[in-house]
Amino acid sequence: SQKIEQNSEALNIQEGKTATLTCNYTNYSPAYLQWYRQDPGRGPVFLLLIRENEKEKRKERLKVTFDTTLKQSLFHITASQPADSATYLCATTGGGGNKLTFGTGTQLKVEL
Amino acid sequence: GAVVSQHPSRVICKSGTSVKIECRSLDFQATTMFWYRQFPKQSLMLMATSNEGSKATYEQGVEKDKFLINHASLTLSTLTVTSAHPEDSSFYICSAITGEPTDTQYFGPGTRLTVL
Repeated sequence: SQKIEQNSEALNIQEGKTATLTCNYTNYSPAYLQWYRQDPGRGPVFLLLIRENEKEKRKERLKVTFDTTLKQSLFHITASQPADSATYLCATTGGGGNKLTFGTGTQLKVEL
Repeated sequence: GAVVSQHPSRVICKSGTSVKIECRSLDFQATTMFWYRQFPKQSLMLMATSNEGSKATYEQGVEKDKFLINHASLTLSTLTVTSAHPEDSSFYICSAITGEPTDTQYFGPGTRLTVL
């Protein structure tokens, strides 16, 4: 089955800098890879989806890349703000049926 | 669009009682909903997949007699924690899919269960 790996260590960056989070998958290349944001005590919120045949996807200050050779997706937040502080989860299909396989998430802290 | 609600947001109950959590898709019909639990600083753990009109499919290690799931309509799934114990205290989150081929899940805000 698919396994998703995200850096479990928190990422601390300064406001205005670009945050880059990494998601690696171990087995077959998924058809889609998704990124979610989760705030403490809240359910995850869907942010972006990138397809296997897409190299890059953008939405406002967010950018996601998908490298099937490296089996990796990178999630970038440009001009980061303290309000971007949250845990970011990546997920793929391949859990069987409609299930998604989630990574453990990376906590981002944007400091003033 | 694709809004999912959960009720209640917080519940405190005594050990041995049962608690029901509702998950509703507000602006779409969800043939499939999922139930997760999450412990502090840990990732989502899928408990079961709930399909409208049929029995839920439970993940390995999840007691189906303890966590009763009912998906009676296309907009409502319920999770009942029966005979709750302190170790059942957790954050329970539901999600639903809209039928898109991407399997994107839309999550509810979660329910914090505390069993005394």
